[in-house]
Amino acid sequence: KAGVTQTPRYLIKTRGQQVTLSCSPISGHRSVSWYQQTPGQGLQFLFEYFSETQRNKGNFPGRFSGRQFSNSRSEMNVSTLELGDSALYLCASSLVRGARAGGSDTQYFGPGTRLTVL
Amino acid sequence: GEDVEQSLFLSVREGDSSVINCTYTDSSSTYLYWYKQEPGAGLQLLTYIFSNMDMKQDQRLTVLLNKKDKHLSLRIADTQTGDSAIYFCAESANYGGSQGNLIFGKGTKLSVKP
Repeated sequence: KAGVTQTPRYLIKTRGQQVTLSCSPISGHRSVSWYQQTPGQGLQFLFEYFSETQRNKGNFPGRFSGRQFSNSRSEMNVSTLELGDSALYLCASSLVRGARAGGSDTQYFGPGTRLTVL
Repeated sequence: GEDVEQSLFLSVREGDSSVINCTYTDSSSTYLYWYKQEPGAGLQLLTYIFSNMDMKQDQRLTVLLNKKDKHLSLRIADTQTGDSAIYFCAESANYGGSQGNLIFGKGTKLSVKP
């Protein structure tokens, strides 16, 4: 079974631009979560989507948004990019929503999209 | 809020055992996880343990959970150079709108010397 895929793997943008990242979950998985990883802040939760609805949201400004399609694929968008948005953006999928119960709720991560903002 | 803490670095010799420690704050976490990240890669799930268990063994990996002290450890037996990576401990959030997402530690960088 194919794992979580993310595209593109690398992106270079300039300040003020916007960017869209894509994530395809493991086949059959319905929940997609996004995380931002930076050297200073570590791994931080952005948001989670399940059945095309945002279920949870982390503490990020409104410039960060996302959506999920009927096939469970998800996109996240960052508008008005800032230098501090440079990070590795990781997507994780799970069979059902959340990560509380483990087992079928266990999250499996993709390789990430490395975003550099100049 | 919840917090997960880990030591940042660990260096061992090939063939020795490695023990990576983690403390967490949310006593209501149902599952606790260990992930591995190699350079330039995403996170690889290594193992997880249910909060009513004390120990879980999976080949070279042993997870110990002390729920009273909120302490989790990952032991890697017969550590190999291929085990060099960053290891993340994570608990699931159980508050407010973030319920269900993972709270990660900063990661422990394991260096294995030949």
